Amino acid sequence: DAKTTQPPSMDCAEGRAANLPCNHSTISGNEYVYWYRQIHSQGPQYIIHGLKNNETNEMASLIITEDRKSSTLILPHATLRDTAVYYCIVRVPSNRDDKIIFGKGTRLHILP
Amino acid sequence: AAGVIQSPRHLIKEKRETATLKCYPIPRHDTVYWYQQGPGQDPQFLISFYEKMQSDKGSIPDRFSAQQFSDYHSELNMSSLELGDSALYFCASSGRDRATGELFFGEGSRLTVL
Repeated sequence: DAKTTQPPSMDCAEGRAANLPCNHSTISGNEYVYWYRQIHSQGPQYIIHGLKNNETNEMASLIITEDRKSSTLILPHATLRDTAVYYCIVRVPSNRDDKIIFGKGTRLHILP
Repeated sequence: AAGVIQSPRHLIKEKRETATLKCYPIPRHDTVYWYQQGPGQDPQFLISFYEKMQSDKGSIPDRFSAQQFSDYHSELNMSSLELGDSALYFCASSGRDRATGELFFGEGSRLTVL
């Protein structure tokens, strides 16, 4: 069973904010929300993660709803280089081994 | 900063041949993960190693084997290659000093089976 649901594709105009939604209605209390992206044929890249508070870093912001059943990744000023597949993943972080299971992801197209 | 190094970046083999991919994790990372990504597919987890022991196993064919060595590098051995093994193979690493649980991925090895 997929733990997350994302739209298969989205478009966003260059320079605008890209808002990528993710549903994770069965998330458990100790699971974090992670976002990775994969630019065409490159290795997946970590973007951000959070538990219940909103998070921001130099790449993006993560907004998690109060019930934690959904979240939104925000790229504040999308550029053409942000065209990629974005994966929303729920997992418990570990300082040992903890694989990532990739779902279908959202293919984001940034339009010039 | 040092990243995950994979070699070779490209490899072409014939059916029924054998291939070996290598992965050098980020220094001080003790966990290595292998993923396979077929054309148009999402990355699929194959296998992982923690402190040189296999820690988890995914959809890795019996024809494939892997190990992690004393210097923490890992090798993925693929035998009796089939056309369907043509894919990008990613290695990722993580370390116990990373409380975020972040995985760092290499740029991948592209295997083409003819």
